[in-house]
Amino acid sequence: KNQVEQSPQSLIILEGKNCTLQCNYTVSPFSNLRWYKQDTGRGPVSLTIMTFSENTKSNGRYTATLDADTKQSSLHITASQLSDSASYICVVIPGANNLFFGTGTRLTVIP
Amino acid sequence: GAVVSQHPSRVICKSGTSVKIECRSLDFQATTMFWYRQFPKQSLMLMATSNEGSKATYEQGVEKDKFLINHASLTLSTLTVTSAHPEDSSFYICSASPMETPNTIYFGEGSWLTVV
Repeated sequence: KNQVEQSPQSLIILEGKNCTLQCNYTVSPFSNLRWYKQDTGRGPVSLTIMTFSENTKSNGRYTATLDADTKQSSLHITASQLSDSASYICVVIPGANNLFFGTGTRLTVIP
Repeated sequence: GAVVSQHPSRVICKSGTSVKIECRSLDFQATTMFWYRQFPKQSLMLMATSNEGSKATYEQGVEKDKFLINHASLTLSTLTVTSAHPEDSSFYICSASPMETPNTIYFGEGSWLTVV
């Protein structure tokens, strides 16, 4: 069964701290994995896209890693800001026009 | 950059009425658009795949006669919630990918539907 599981479900951190979000998947075959940031009541915004052969990809303070062998990905956020408070969604794409969404991690950054 | 626009962003309708939500790709053409529903604190759930010029493909459990999808052009797909009920209240999001770069996915800003 194709599944995407994210942990933790929610996370509260102090402003300026780092954090790491996890994504484990059983989706097969695998084309690419994406991390999205979704502010409350808004559409998701793409952070990173990684294909099978990529292990790390950065976008500013966001760094995503991928281990296609163990089917795990992580999103690391450095020097968190209040504006980072949002839901972070891991999406695994096995092929064209087919997406599997994780349930998301709700991140709250407090001053 | 490419933008997918949804309208309205918020709508309140009476139970039993119908409401239409538009999804437009503003600077690219998309043969396929997707419609999602998201309940509070849950992830996006794919409802249907909207295909330009043909019938939409609905996910299991989604009533095609209740959620009418029309994809009349390469830049516009509409979702009509017919005979809306309070349980249809949700956040509806569309996504689209440019024909030239099908692996690029752009999400709309979403539409909040409240049925009273």
